[in-house]
Amino acid sequence: EIVLTQSPATLSLSPGERATLSCRASQSISNYLIWYQQKPGQAPRLLIYDASNRATGIPARFSGSGSGTDFTLTISSLEPEDFAVYYCQQRRDWPITFGLGTRLEIK
Amino acid sequence: QVQLQQWGAGLLKPSETLSLTCAVFDGSFSGYYWTWIRQPPGEGLEWVGEINHSESSINYNPSLKSRVTISLDTSKNQFSLNLNSVTAADTAVYYCVRRQKPIPDAYDMWGQGTLVSVSS
Repeated sequence: EIVLTQSPATLSLSPGERATLSCRASQSISNYLIWYQQKPGQAPRLLIYDASNRATGIPARFSGSGSGTDFTLTISSLEPEDFAVYYCQQRRDWPITFGLGTRLEIK
Repeated sequence: QVQLQQWGAGLLKPSETLSLTCAVFDGSFSGYYWTWIRQPPGEGLEWVGEINHSESSINYNPSLKSRVTISLDTSKNQFSLNLNSVTAADTAVYYCVRRQKPIPDAYDMWGQGTLVSVSS
């Protein structure tokens, strides 16, 4: 199965700062990479699909990039509501797999 | 606005069968993949399996394949998960999820989650 490695595990930043989250695949997945945000006690929310496309209703401060094995989620200027756990997911091959997540916490 | 509402037993003993059902309200059932994803307490997400609306495509996580069944009841706009011979390792929040294809081809609608605990 395709393994997704997210880094860092925890990222401590302040509101207004720029966040850069990484997801690396164990083999090429083209652009079949999706990002989700999860807040405590809630289901995940779709942010980015096909590596760089924002889902409906997602603010422009969220952007995704990458292809092949290396992907990045960038939040250009952190808002208080952005502090959460972020997961990447690949749909290149069965089984669908997720990364272990990056926890974005307030510094 | 489509809603996924799920239910099922929340406390099981080892070797019992986990059964969860998810109903799709205010939205089409056809044309989507219907998925179960679980999350052990404090951990990440694990894809369990999914089925398309016509039941022509069913895929399971190989780690669970021998124990899991996902089925549809199109007359009720519902889909279900059965996982037999549960152990403590199956303790998790289970989410029913919609996968919309071809765009965004991602999990765009989630149920509220059901915590299933396995304990003797």
